[in-house]
Parts: sequence; structure tokens; C-alpha cells
Amino acid sequence: DQQVKQNSPSLSVQEGRISILNCDYTNSMFDYFLWYKKYPAEGPTFLISISSIKDKNEDGRFTVFLNKSAKHLSLHIVPSQPGDSAVYFCAASGPNSGYALNFGKGTSLLVTP
Amino acid sequence: GAGVSQSPRYKVAKRGQDVALRCDPISGHVSLFWYQQALGQGPEFLTYFQNEAQLDKSGLPSDRFFAERPEGSVSTLKIQRTQQEDSAVYLCASSSMTGSNYGYTFGSGTRLTVV
Repeated sequence: DQQVKQNSPSLSVQEGRISILNCDYTNSMFDYFLWYKKYPAEGPTFLISISSIKDKNEDGRFTVFLNKSAKHLSLHIVPSQPGDSAVYFCAASGPNSGYALNFGKGTSLLVTP
Repeated sequence: GAGVSQSPRYKVAKRGQDVALRCDPISGHVSLFWYQQALGQGPEFLTYFQNEAQLDKSGLPSDRFFAERPEGSVSTLKIQRTQQEDSAVYLCASSSMTGSNYGYTFGSGTRLTVV
């Protein structure tokens, strides 16, 4: 069963606007969350992470928000740039997930000029 | 090298054939992970090595899958008697830290197609 869900397969945003990518999880034991970015024919690249003791983490244009009560996190990219066009994966881990990261299916972001 | 290197980049295997996929992690990285990514899905965990010790193999889908890292650096993922459902991209990742709570570095993957 999919413990990490990204319900939007794709998203299109204009350059300069905000991109918001959403992720939901079902396992309440998850305590660490990560976002990866993937270009075609390349492996995923780590982008940003957040621990469950925080509700926000910011790194330049990228901010991740965590709402533990709703089991929801989101990645905000502002301003969006054409080079941000990629597939974004949400991932989670916890004390009962061993050494595994549990990934969502990804959201394909297209930033148009 | 500067990154995680995987070979071959592409592999076509006839059903029933054995295959071996190689991963060269970043030099000195303690942790090494294998993931399987089917078309349209996110990566799914297969196995984890800390140095030469395989600490977690809970994600290996069957006993046809076997991974090793005998000297704590290069790792090989072997799939015996390949089947069509094994078709996927196999991703290797490494990290200087132990455990999964870090943004480890992935290689570009090996795309396996079983015909």
C-alpha cells in the first residue's frame, strides 16, 4: 500500500509564479520528510528536508511546510523558473521503516516562460 | 569519481536470463542503497548496506534478487531468471552518513528491460 501519496501527477505554472507541490502520508510514525527532484535520464537529486519537530524549512527559493495533524506536507517554489521543470518526489521515513525511504509517485512540474 | 556511477546504463535481457547490475558509490561513502523504480512509480527500496554489511534486505521482492558489497565499496545487484515484471530502472544511492534520514546521492540508474 502506498504510504506516501502525491495526488497530482502534473502541474503547470508560469515563470515567476509560485509552484506548490503537495504530498500526503498515512503512516503517523513517519518523522522525517524529504523532497527529491528528477530530470529525465538522471537519478533523483536531494532538494530539501524537514524533521517532524519543525513545521517549516526554507532554503533559498524552496520552502517545505509540514502539517503533522493533517499528515500533509507541501513544497513551495518561488519564484518558479523554467529550470525547475522536473519530476518532484516526496519521501518519508520513520523508526519503523527500517532503512527505507518511502517515495510517492511524483509530480511532474512544468514551468512555462 | 564525483558521483555515483552505475553500469550498464541500459540492459535488455531475455526472460529467464541472469543479470548483474553494478554500482560504484562515491568514494568513502559508508551507506549504499538499491531502489527499483517501475514506470510511472516512485523508487521502491530494495536493500541497504553499511560498509560491507547488508543491514536491511526487506525490500527484495523475491529470492531471485541478490545484492552484495564484499569490500564495502562497489556493489552488485544480481537478478536470476529474470521475468517481465523485473523491467524497471534500478537506482543505486550512497551516503557518507548511516541510515536513511539524509539526502543521499543517487546514480543515474540502470534501465532493465526483460523481453
